[in-house]
Amino acid sequence: AQTVTQSQPEMSVQEAETVTLSCTYDTSENNYYLFWYKQPPSRQMILVIRQEAYKQQNATENRFSVNFQKAAKSFSLKISDSQLGDTAMYFCAFMFQTGANNLFFGTGTRLTVIP
Amino acid sequence: NAGVTQTPKFQVLKTGQSMTLQCAQDMNHEYMSWYRQDPGMGLRLIHYSVGAGITDQGEVPNGYNVSRSTTEDFPLRLLSAAPSQTSVYFCASSSPGLNTEAFFGQGTRLTVV
Repeated sequence: AQTVTQSQPEMSVQEAETVTLSCTYDTSENNYYLFWYKQPPSRQMILVIRQEAYKQQNATENRFSVNFQKAAKSFSLKISDSQLGDTAMYFCAFMFQTGANNLFFGTGTRLTVIP
Repeated sequence: NAGVTQTPKFQVLKTGQSMTLQCAQDMNHEYMSWYRQDPGMGLRLIHYSVGAGITDQGEVPNGYNVSRSTTEDFPLRLLSAAPSQTSVYFCASSSPGLNTEAFFGQGTRLTVV
């Protein structure tokens, strides 16, 4: 199994501010995908953003962007203009490019947006 | 669109009882998988399938059984429930190829007493 590490169990941010969640991973593969999932209290797993390892450009989705450092095996998530609805558990996940699309998850970061 | 549907959403079992968690997807995805989520441990892979009739073990398969007789359905069976199987269970499906994405069901919260 691939190792995915999220070293921040909990974080908080003021509404409208910016926050960065950290993720590192360990793999010997060159081609893979990385994901950030959001899990609100409803328990639903919601895809926030994805990054293909072969792409040098960092992925962005509206207020969400990543800093992908392939050599350092780092994949952080930046949330800009934080909103109350961003309060959730956030999971970083790794997927091999070839195979059964199985995901390897980190332990999660619980983010609280403070009004 | 239904996507991935899991039933039931909540279940309480007594130790030693058996039950089946149902998972169905209507997206014609080849790949399906089961994960369990425990506090402080993220989601871990239990079993997965790359097509009808083909299943394989994930990271934590002990105590669980799966089969895949159709593309749409991928049930997870607990043969003799144990308190250690108290968890939230997620089913996911996806298709092979570039730009793939895993779609998750709503989860099943299982308590074994």
